Amino acid sequence: QQKVQQSPESLIVPEGGMASLNCTSSDRNVDYFWWYRQHSGKSPKMLMSIFSNGEKEEGRFTVHLNKASLHTSLHIRDSQPSDSALYLCAASKIGGYKVVFGSGTRLLVSP
Amino acid sequence: DPKIIQKPKYLVAVTGSEKILICEQYLGHNAMYWYRQSAKKPLEFMFSYSYQKLMDNQTASSRFQPQSSKKNHLDLQITALKPDDSATYFCASSQDRNNQAPLFGEGTRLSVL
Repeated sequence: QQKVQQSPESLIVPEGGMASLNCTSSDRNVDYFWWYRQHSGKSPKMLMSIFSNGEKEEGRFTVHLNKASLHTSLHIRDSQPSDSALYLCAASKIGGYKVVFGSGTRLLVSP
Repeated sequence: DPKIIQKPKYLVAVTGSEKILICEQYLGHNAMYWYRQSAKKPLEFMFSYSYQKLMDNQTASSRFQPQSSKKNHLDLQITALKPDDSATYFCASSQDRNNQAPLFGEGTRLSVL
C-alpha cells in the first residue's frame, strides 16, 4: 500500500530561523510530489510541487527531490510566526487517481 | 468567492442516522475527490472520480457512498453513522492530468453523538 512518511512529527524554530522538513514515499512508482500547508481549522493549500530531481525555489521556500530514494524535503528560510502550521507531503503515481498524504509535520515558529 | 463549495460547514448527527455531504466545484475540473481528516488519523484518501466515473476507492466500508449527479458535483452519503465517523470531510478537485494537485474545499465538520 502506498505510504508517505514525514519527519519530524513536530518542529519548533525561532523567528528568522530555518525549518527543514522531510518526506519519503514507500512506493517506487510514485512520480509526483507536492507540499501543502494547513493552518489550524483550515483546509490544506498547495505550496509547491516537484516532479524532477533537483531543487526548486519560490521565495523563502525551497524543495528538493531525490527520485532514486523517493525523498523530498522542504526548507523554509527566515521563518515567520505565520508559517506555523501543519505541513503535508503528498505523492501520486503516473496514471493514478489517488494522491496520498503523509501525517504531516507540525511547525511552530516562536517569536 | 470559494470555487469549491461544501455544505454544510458543520453537521451534528446521532449514531445510526444517515447524512449527505454536498460538494460542488466551479473550476471546470474533471476529477473530484473525498478525503477525511480527524485528530486520530491524518488526511486520508477516500474516493476519486473522473468524468463522473469512480476511479479509486480506499474506503473499506460500504456505508460511505459517493454520488455524482453532474460533472462538477460529488456528494458523499454516509449511512448508519458511528461516533468514529466524526471527522472533517474535505472535497477536492483537479484537472484530470497526472501532475495536477488537488485543490481543497473548506470541509464539512461532522460530529456523531
